[in-house]
Amino acid sequence: GQQVMQIPQYQHVQEGEDFTTYCNSSTTLSNIQWYKQRPGGHPVFLIQLVKSGEVKKQKRLTFQFGEAKKNSSLHITATQTTDVGTYFCAAPNTGNQFYFGTGTSLTVIP
Amino acid sequence: EAGVAQSPRYKIIEKRQSVAFWCNPISGHATLYWYQQILGQGPKLLIQFQNNGVVDDSQLPKDRFSAERLKGVDSTLKIQPAKLEDSAVYLCASSLDRSSYNEQFFGPGTRLTVL
Repeated sequence: GQQVMQIPQYQHVQEGEDFTTYCNSSTTLSNIQWYKQRPGGHPVFLIQLVKSGEVKKQKRLTFQFGEAKKNSSLHITATQTTDVGTYFCAAPNTGNQFYFGTGTSLTVIP
Repeated sequence: EAGVAQSPRYKIIEKRQSVAFWCNPISGHATLYWYQQILGQGPKLLIQFQNNGVVDDSQLPKDRFSAERLKGVDSTLKIQPAKLEDSAVYLCASSLDRSSYNEQFFGPGTRLTVL
């Protein structure tokens, strides 16, 4: 079945430092979604990428979809304590069933 | 707009007991998902409904797990009998339809502990 690998598994940063998480697939994806899960919370949709090479920005968050549509990244500039949580990528297989990555847990040290 | 509702929020049972979870999706959402999230892992899709029909249940352990969405609105997920490895958060999500281009809205989840 569809597998989406995500790295790193954990990341500790000082407040104000940048953070990046990467998502990789062995197959070409139709689209990819990113979700954020706060500690003790549930996943919340952040964004969807569809086009090859697409770049989208949400304030300090920058999302990219690779040219081959096999990888994606989420970059946070100047992290804040409110960015704490686990970031998941999720991608559908040919039957539109979603597979979530293992997630990157972000800790921001004040 | 009300979000996805789930109950109970927490459940503690002993192994071999039965348990049921309930989910009410966002009004008008045709697609409903049940995910299992084990601590430290990403959500794993168990079953996906489109209205009252099953779209995919390939990862549902059918010897002990069952789910239904009889009227195409709310849904129940049952485990009978539970095993220790079933300890996890069970998340329900819904989306407008089964298109992979729709975002999924998640409920708060039910945290199950099997002793």
